[in-house]
Amino acid sequence: SQQGEEDPQALSIQEGENATMNCSYKTSINNLQWYRQNSGRGLVHLILIRSNEREKHSGRLRVTLDTSKKSSSLLITASRAADTASYFCAVNSGSRLTFGEGTQLTVNP
Amino acid sequence: KAGVTQTPRYLIKTRGQQVTLSCSPISGHRSVSWYQQTPGQGLQFLFEYFSETQRNKGNFPGRFSGRQFSNSRSEMNVSTLELGDSALYLCASTPSGTGHNYGYTFGSGTRLTVV
Repeated sequence: SQQGEEDPQALSIQEGENATMNCSYKTSINNLQWYRQNSGRGLVHLILIRSNEREKHSGRLRVTLDTSKKSSSLLITASRAADTASYFCAVNSGSRLTFGEGTQLTVNP
Repeated sequence: KAGVTQTPRYLIKTRGQQVTLSCSPISGHRSVSWYQQTPGQGLQFLFEYFSETQRNKGNFPGRFSGRQFSNSRSEMNVSTLELGDSALYLCASTPSGTGHNYGYTFGSGTRLTVV
């Protein structure tokens, strides 16, 4: 069963706008990771945030983690058409990842 | 360096048959995990291998099995295929496994269709 719940399920924005996706989870975690998937292909690792971290940046990506609320958010700034994809959060507890249901992001040129 | 390689990319099988999927991890990565992705259930963990030992297993029937070789390459096998086994099967590797803080590197997947 899916541990994570992602919100929204789908998001459509214009190029240049920011996109924010949220993820909630239920158990304790070692870390939380975000992945991108293009059209049913493999997953690409975007960013990892440890359980003792609150915010992390990588290029145009900003991730926050609130362990008291068991939630995380991914912000993509200045979006591009090439950012169109499905985005998944995944909690790492032990030697497995438990994925959310994903957010389908569409960036319109 | 080379990424995670999964073969074959596409596979069509008949109900009742069995299938073997292969995964070659990134060189030096000793942990290999398998995931099933379907439209209805999303991404679900199958199992994880480290140094030829299965360390973790998801909630799948015994028809799903796997193994890891001494060179870290892994195979998964599905016996007595059912229509519901149609899915994208993804393999992922990491340097270690439990308690680590590494991202996972995924292969492009094997698209299995059961008819």
